Amino acid sequence: QVQLVESGGGVVQPGRSLRLSCAASGFTFSSYGMHWVRQAPGKGLEWLAVVSYNGKVQYYTDSVKGRFTISRDNSKNTLYLQMDSLRTEDTAVYYCAKERTTQRSNAIDSWGQGTLVTVSS
Amino acid sequence: DIQMTQSPSSVSASVGDRVTITCRASQGISNWLVWYQQKPGKAPKLLIYAASSLQSGVPSRFSGSGSGTDFTLTISSLQPEDFATYYCQQTNNFPWTFGQGTKVEIK
Repeated sequence: QVQLVESGGGVVQPGRSLRLSCAASGFTFSSYGMHWVRQAPGKGLEWLAVVSYNGKVQYYTDSVKGRFTISRDNSKNTLYLQMDSLRTEDTAVYYCAKERTTQRSNAIDSWGQGTLVTVSS
Repeated sequence: DIQMTQSPSSVSASVGDRVTITCRASQGISNWLVWYQQKPGKAPKLLIYAASSLQSGVPSRFSGSGSGTDFTLTISSLQPEDFATYYCQQTNNFPWTFGQGTKVEIK
């Protein structure tokens, strides 16, 4: 079955960088768009970014555009989120997520367990 | 960006009750609307996609409707395992955006 395992979270100072990874298995990773979604403590869900199946197209939400970079390595079945210039408001659980179909994306059907990023001095 | 507004923010209900949650988009999104369920400390779970299509494995007591700007998630007979927070999300265009969530609590 589909398995998504995030890693790389931790405590980081404001202004520093962190890279999250998501190891995927149980499906043909190179056929699906992949997303990052986050959830601040006690708050709702915030969609962050998507990368197309081949890594050539990315979209971001405004709050992370220019600071975060989504990428993938299909040879390693791994999704990444490079986070630069981190702010205290980036503190959240970060989820890696898979699109439901290989066609026009319309939903996320699988999620990782999440990795906690805490930005604090 | 498209803003998604859910109502109510929370609802208290009893087992067996019919529960309805609404979601309104700030502009038309056709049927590009998704519903998720999230329990504390867990990742969200896909319930409904394309406004009314039930995800495989989701009980039939969950249903979705709507098109354009106004959408509804209905739980026909609330079960103990349904107490959770529900989110709508528009997938019409990027950036995808979520509603603020509706918490279904035990009455």
